Amino acid sequence: GEDVEQSLFLSVREGDSSVINCTYTDSSSTYLYWYKQEPGAGLQLLTYIFSNMDMKQDQRLTVLLNKKDKHLSLRIADTQTGDSAIYFCAETPPSFQKLVFGTGTRLLVSP
Amino acid sequence: DARVTQTPRHKVTEMGQEVTMRCQPILGHNTVFWYRQTMMQGLELLAYFRNRAPLDDSGMPKDRFSAEMPDATLATLKIQPSEPRDSAVYFCASGLVGTGGRGYTFGSGTRLTVV
Repeated sequence: GEDVEQSLFLSVREGDSSVINCTYTDSSSTYLYWYKQEPGAGLQLLTYIFSNMDMKQDQRLTVLLNKKDKHLSLRIADTQTGDSAIYFCAETPPSFQKLVFGTGTRLLVSP
Repeated sequence: DARVTQTPRHKVTEMGQEVTMRCQPILGHNTVFWYRQTMMQGLELLAYFRNRAPLDDSGMPKDRFSAEMPDATLATLKIQPSEPRDSAVYFCASGLVGTGGRGYTFGSGTRLTVV
């Protein structure tokens, strides 16, 4: 089945690193994504990782994938107040190509 | 910069009224999704289309919701009659199957309030 879980809330101080975690259940998912949602806005694709990769780095973002444990994480280095938002992980099971979203993690960055 | 356009951005309506939300996908995209976001349920997939044909609408309450793509530049989501529990933000997203890994582009959403 499809079920993606995340912790609901994370609070960090500006300049610290943030780590947002996600667990998923569909081991056949080919891609896993991280989306960002700012208040009153739609979802913006931040980054993605192919299921045969363990890690992907993109500027301040590092994605780690542990397929054995079905665990995905997003690390934001040098977190800024502008990073405050809700972060969703998502997977695309091979059938139908639809996006299945996690519950979202609200990141609050304080000065 | 290509974008998915949703109209209206905000809609307040009375219970029992018909509501129509519109989405203009990115030109050339062949897959369109409708999602609903609420505090309680998070992001729920309502329906999606590929090449204008509905592939899955199992997430929609069939008695009151309907989704169509009259042409490649327009997707609609209709609620008739609307109920207060339909209050939510409705997102449309479009994408291109086969591009692999890019995910999909979301519109800014329609915030629906049914009173």
